[in-house]
Amino acid sequence: QVQLKETGPGLVQPTQTLSITCTVSGFSLTSYYMQWVRQTPGKGLEWMGFIRSGGSTEYNSEFKSRLSISRDTSKNQVFLKMNSLKTEDTGVYYCARGSSTTRVYDYWGQGVMVTVSS
Amino acid sequence: DIVLTQSPALAVSLGQRATISCKTNQNVDYYGNSYMHWYQQKPGQQPKLLIYLASNLASGIPARFSGRGSGTDFTLTIDPVEADDTATYYCQQSRNLPNTFGAGTKLELK
Repeated sequence: QVQLKETGPGLVQPTQTLSITCTVSGFSLTSYYMQWVRQTPGKGLEWMGFIRSGGSTEYNSEFKSRLSISRDTSKNQVFLKMNSLKTEDTGVYYCARGSSTTRVYDYWGQGVMVTVSS
Repeated sequence: DIVLTQSPALAVSLGQRATISCKTNQNVDYYGNSYMHWYQQKPGQQPKLLIYLASNLASGIPARFSGRGSGTDFTLTIDPVEADDTATYYCQQSRNLPNTFGAGTKLELK
């Protein structure tokens, strides 16, 4: 069955870089978009960006200058890297599978809580 | 960016109908589809897809849930409401990038 699981550091210091891995099973990354969505107390649910089935990316301009999404199809993994973290980046980070036809996120990972604090 | 507006909270009695609205500041229709989707989120859990493209029931979702609307006005209906339906419900548009979400409607039981 379709499964997604995020793994990440939990605690990151301000100005540092956040790295999260989403490991998927039950489907191929070359057939679906993979999105990153975060949920913060200040802004609720925010779409951060996605990587298409073909490997190209799109980013929310809110994060564009400091966000990178990549993947390793051989390992069934998608990666989020965001630098220059601020306390406002504290929240839960989700990866989600998206369809290129319906453009809907049909499966979500459980999320990983990230706290930005010194 | 497309802004989605939802009422913050709704209280409904068990067995009654709950209607949750979502209004957008731009049309989210495109080539015959309305790119509006609904999710349910319970505390400590990830969002769960309920309805996609405005009115299509996601796999495994009970028929008590339904969606309708087009253009800029959309509704999610739960009929009849069960105790397990207490949650926050979010609408999300995927017509334009950045995809955006509403602030959520918290459904409570009277």
